Amino acid sequence: NAGVTQTPKFRILKIGQSMTLQCTQDMNHNYMYWYRQDPGMGLKLIYYSVGAGITDKGEVPNGYNVSRSTTEDFPLRLELAAPSQTSVYFCASSPRGGSGANVLTFGAGSRLTVL
Amino acid sequence: AQSVTQPDIHITVSEGASLELRCNYSYGATPYLFWYVQSPGQGLQLLLKYFSGDTLVQGIKGFEAEFKRSQSSFNLRKPSVHWSDAAEYFCAVGGTTDSWGKLQFGAGTQVVVTP
Repeated sequence: NAGVTQTPKFRILKIGQSMTLQCTQDMNHNYMYWYRQDPGMGLKLIYYSVGAGITDKGEVPNGYNVSRSTTEDFPLRLELAAPSQTSVYFCASSPRGGSGANVLTFGAGSRLTVL
Repeated sequence: AQSVTQPDIHITVSEGASLELRCNYSYGATPYLFWYVQSPGQGLQLLLKYFSGDTLVQGIKGFEAEFKRSQSSFNLRKPSVHWSDAAEYFCAVGGTTDSWGKLQFGAGTQVVVTP
């Protein structure tokens, strides 16, 4: 029972490089999210998806892109990495509809450093 | 706009002592409220949630929280802390029909447990 799986756990990028953070869930959840966590700032929503083929911006989407081709997968793409994107990234998922949609299951996180 | 404030950035408590973490929220309607815990290097785990009904909610690991509408608060408590409770705790709010799962997190409270 894996839940939400994120890869990689750690990554160091050079400024201007691109990469994709992978996220997959095996709970058949319709809703998926990407948050970033910065010290003293809590978690901020980057992008979310309510189902395959449907994505929307969250609070801090600049510099990121997402896609949702399947229910299980929700990759986050960083284009032209910048030091401001140094953060810990969390993928999460929740079931569709009603109050249960607010009960998020989180992955273990991906720590990204941009130098 | 909804917001969450955790006034205490850092709390130190002795093992066996009681713990109370404060959370205040700003929200236009009755919110859905959550407490999550993050152990070092781990993802976020749901401790408890409030949707409606009894304002005192019980969670995992012996934690409880009380929703006080008049004070816009949702404080987390534990009568006797264990060394394993050392972690960062996040309060979150969410719930309107156009924001299912898009939680607003507080900045977090770091709890240190001393022998």
